[in-house]
Amino acid sequence: DAKTTQPPSMDCAEGRAANLPCNHSTISGNEYVYWYRQIHSQGPQYIIHGLKNNETNEMASLIITEDRKSSTLILPHATLRDTAVYYCIVRSGDSGYALNFGKGTSLLVTP
Amino acid sequence: DAGVIQSPRHEVTEMGQEVTLRCKPISGHNSLFWYRQTMMRGLELLIYFNNNVPIDDSGMPEDRFSAKMPNASFSTLKIQPSEPRDSAVYFCASSYLAGPSTDTQYFGPGTRLTVL
Repeated sequence: DAKTTQPPSMDCAEGRAANLPCNHSTISGNEYVYWYRQIHSQGPQYIIHGLKNNETNEMASLIITEDRKSSTLILPHATLRDTAVYYCIVRSGDSGYALNFGKGTSLLVTP
Repeated sequence: DAGVIQSPRHEVTEMGQEVTLRCKPISGHNSLFWYRQTMMRGLELLIYFNNNVPIDDSGMPEDRFSAKMPNASFSTLKIQPSEPRDSAVYFCASSYLAGPSTDTQYFGPGTRLTVL
């Protein structure tokens, strides 16, 4: 699976959009981009995933560049409860299993 | 659905003792994963089951660790004998894998293990 690069930490004001970048320049054609987050002392939680097209669900939006070498997770209106570590993971649809969590981005949402 | 259930939530034991962690996956899921999280190594996969069969146990640290899945609704991770370096949070996750496509893993709340 392709390696990802994320900033170690970010801040965001409550109510503003949080834009979390991820670089995956070695991604291959059949690899998906997944985002999970881990709130302190809890298990990781799935947020969203995509292959080529931008995706949106009730939690967030995922923007993938045309060359697929980077992506951005957008939390449109961040709340204090969104404070967590966010993991960008690239995984092949054929691999079928392991999620390789890196160090992620620690997002702090401030009042 | 209650989600993935793990027990116990906290375990404190002494070095050399046997430890058994338990997991009940989400009903209908056919894949189960055991992960371990430490400050030094982050989240790492220990073992993966598909349809109750161990598929990849390359992440299991050593022979002191063993995992079983006797049926679709229950799995155990056993450490015998336990050592202080096994102290970590152990997560169980489950998913429904239908073939060469993506699946979403749902994680339990974890078991925090402390070996003194």
